[in-house]
Amino acid sequence: NAGVTQTPKFQVLKTGQSMTLQCAQDMNHEYMSWYRQDPGMGLRLIHYSVGAGITDQGEVPNGYNVSRSTTEDFPLRLLSAAPSQTSVYFCASTRGPLYNEQFFGPGTRLTVL
Amino acid sequence: DAKTTQPPSMDCAEGRAANLPCNHSTISGNEYVYWYRQIHSQGPQYIIHGLKNNETNEMASLIITEDRKSSTLILPHATLRDTAVYYCIVRVPGMAAGNKLTFGGGTRVLVKP
Repeated sequence: NAGVTQTPKFQVLKTGQSMTLQCAQDMNHEYMSWYRQDPGMGLRLIHYSVGAGITDQGEVPNGYNVSRSTTEDFPLRLLSAAPSQTSVYFCASTRGPLYNEQFFGPGTRLTVL
Repeated sequence: DAKTTQPPSMDCAEGRAANLPCNHSTISGNEYVYWYRQIHSQGPQYIIHGLKNNETNEMASLIITEDRKSSTLILPHATLRDTAVYYCIVRVPGMAAGNKLTFGGGTRVLVKP
């Protein structure tokens, strides 16, 4: 199993540009989430999905969209990038609500100029 | 989720046991204690979890006091690759939106040769 994979690893955007961060998992996990981590800070939840076709907002959803058309993929879209979205983005997955271990991807380091 | 308190940093000698404390004095009866770690620039990694009994796996041991107000993560033989930020998280499985994890400041552990 590849686990949770994320692409790209690094990205630089200009203010106002849009882009999609990709996340995929091959463990048939029901739950997937996107977190951001700012320098020296803990992770904050952006959006999450409890299954294909079902998504919901986390604590910092503004400026981001998600969709979950398949169990495997959970892309995160930045609609109009802003410098405040400069961060490291982590995707995570877990088998379901009562499973204790969450698996994290390697992260995407995004810089918005 | 109950609040946790961890020392901001600690050093450990390679080959020795590392004992990482966590205070969670407001923990409720159905909240579990989880430990994750984040090695520099990588996604968080699950280590271990427990409710009230001591737990051990291939990575670490978790000792929870009888009143459950504090716990200690033990890395039995620390290696240089154990240098990371360690997070103690208290939560009820499945209750938080999207099975969300709330990361606090953590303890920055430096294993020295």
